[in-house]
Amino acid sequence: DVKVTQSSRYLVKRTGEKVFLECVQDMDHENMFWYRQDPGLGLRLIYFSYDVKMKEKGDIPEGYSVSREKKERFSLILESASTNQTSMYLCASRPTGVRNSPLHFGNGTRLTVT
Amino acid sequence: AQSVAQPEDQVNVAEGNPLTVKCTYSVSGNPYLFWYVQYPNRGLQFLLKYITGDNLVKGSYGFEAEFNKSQTSFHLKKPSALVSDSALYFCAVREPISSGSARQLTFGSGTQLTVLP
Repeated sequence: DVKVTQSSRYLVKRTGEKVFLECVQDMDHENMFWYRQDPGLGLRLIYFSYDVKMKEKGDIPEGYSVSREKKERFSLILESASTNQTSMYLCASRPTGVRNSPLHFGNGTRLTVT
Repeated sequence: AQSVAQPEDQVNVAEGNPLTVKCTYSVSGNPYLFWYVQYPNRGLQFLLKYITGDNLVKGSYGFEAEFNKSQTSFHLKKPSALVSDSALYFCAVREPISSGSARQLTFGSGTQLTVLP
């Protein structure tokens, strides 16, 4: 069974701090994704990566960056956290080569920026 | 641009009754459609998908969904609801021919299903 692990379940950070959210998957998936989930807005794609060191902007990349140095790990970085980045962050992965394979999600990191 | 709408924020149904969670979509061409479920304090779990073929798709936990091209809908259904079905449900869509972030799924805003005992 695919496992996507997000390192923190809850995080509280101060405005202006640099924040790292970590995600690891154990199924050798090429594609990894970061979403944020907000009530009434559903899931919005921040960034995704289809290979090591490759990244593409999603729908709401402003204020975020990502890093993918190893295939199994995809990090989301908030360079200078702001209160409007308080949200639930979900990481997901999916293999290439299996057409329309579903996303496998981690349990999420609830980030509060004060 | 692709989009998906879930017109109901909340659906309540009595245990044992049939349930429907609505989803409509807008894409160019034939859509790829998905349903995911999120239980409290968990990530999303895949339920079912429609890619092509039979309009009635069966998925996990007894759920099914009907693709209706003329109404651009993909409603999630279950003949007999369980209290344990109470969760947040998301519909998602992808266009078959697109690039960049548009190749990825677009999610609806979610519908909270509550099954009352």
